[in-house]
Amino acid sequence: GQQVQQSPASLVLQEGENAELQCNFSTSLNSMQWFYQRPGGSLVSLFYNPSGTKHSGRLTSTTVIKERRSSLHISSSQTTDSGTYLCALDSSNTNKVVFGTGTRLQVLP
Amino acid sequence: NAGVIQTPRHKVTGKGQEATLWCEPISGHSAVFWYRQTIVQGLEFLTYFRNQAPIDDSGMPKERFSAQMPNQSHSTLKIQSTQPQDSAVYLCASSRGLGSSYEQYFGPGTRLTVL
Repeated sequence: GQQVQQSPASLVLQEGENAELQCNFSTSLNSMQWFYQRPGGSLVSLFYNPSGTKHSGRLTSTTVIKERRSSLHISSSQTTDSGTYLCALDSSNTNKVVFGTGTRLQVLP
Repeated sequence: NAGVIQTPRHKVTGKGQEATLWCEPISGHSAVFWYRQTIVQGLEFLTYFRNQAPIDDSGMPKERFSAQMPNQSHSTLKIQSTQPQDSAVYLCASSRGLGSSYEQYFGPGTRLTVL
């Protein structure tokens, strides 16, 4: 089955609202990484977060290994946040990176 | 640091032709990964190298696809007899290694269109 599940699949926000993106995984991991991708663009690393909580501006990532989940919180969303957010885990079982299916975020003005 | 470099950025081939995609990892990075991204399948792992040696190619279609890393400064992904279903964005990434301490950095991708 799918090793990495992301939710929601899509999300529409009004500018200024907050967003919580979830990534649940069914395998043990070495690391967790969150990426942002603008339509037609490459992947930009937001966080490399194997465990714990990290902050970067309006973004916060929290990975709880024993609960097999990681989250990405976006506060005070802006239209420029629109795009696809992907989580990827480096599985300790296979030493292979597995990507989630992504969350497509649209922030309306 | 120029980041991971991929060439060409766009490639259009006719059905049955060969396509070779190039990747230059970040200097000093020992692991190189190839992925394919389509709207239907999302991001799929294809293969990776560590210190130029192929480690895992379980994601590679067994026929027509091959990847090499002849030296530490570049890797190639070759697709023989391209088919329309091969159309995708092919992404290359590099990291300092494998495991818990290493972050992956992605190139801009090569958009392959097979007519």
